Amino acid sequence: DAKTTQPNSMESNEEEPVHLPCNHSTISGTDYIHWYRQLPSQGPEYVIHGLTSNVNNRMASLAIAEDRKSSTLILHRATLRDAAVYYCILRDMNRDDKIIFGKGTRLHILP
Amino acid sequence: ETGVTQSPTHLIKTRGQQVTLRCSSQSGHNTVSWYQQALGQGPQFIFQYYREEENGRGNFPPRFSGLQFPNYSSELNVNALELDDSALYLCASSPILGTSRNEQFFGPGTRLTVL
Repeated sequence: DAKTTQPNSMESNEEEPVHLPCNHSTISGTDYIHWYRQLPSQGPEYVIHGLTSNVNNRMASLAIAEDRKSSTLILHRATLRDAAVYYCILRDMNRDDKIIFGKGTRLHILP
Repeated sequence: ETGVTQSPTHLIKTRGQQVTLRCSSQSGHNTVSWYQQALGQGPQFIFQYYREEENGRGNFPPRFSGLQFPNYSSELNVNALELDDSALYLCASSPILGTSRNEQFFGPGTRLTVL
């Protein structure tokens, strides 16, 4: 399975935008890029996913590089509730079994 | 719509014992996956069940086993508990098998401590 690389931790100020990077240089043509986050004392929750084009939803935006070897999760206006571990994950479109989680990025929000 | 629920929330066992963890999937979901999350690590895939059959397994020994019932709820059984089995066990359900575009919906987990 393809792997992703994320910074261990990041800090951001409340009400400012946050850009969470992810490298996936070995991504294959059938891999979707997914993001999940895990709030303290909770299970992971889906944030967003994409294949080639940039994506927006009510939670965040996903910017995908043209060569698909990297992507960035964008939180437009961080709140204290966004403090969590963010996981960047590749999932083969032809399979629907496991999600392979790395260690993710721990995002700290400063009030 | 009821989300994924897990029971119990916390459990303490001793080495060598057996444990059963339970999961009720979200309404309309027929696929259940189980994950183990050690402290400070990301969740690790244990196995997945689809229509009561195992559909994929991670790198876990046979003493980790599971069941899925006709109502799509599921159990995770661990025999001969070891200290390293102490972890948060997460259950996730998804609506249909066949595409990785489907998100998985996670429960809050069961915290297992093995003494």
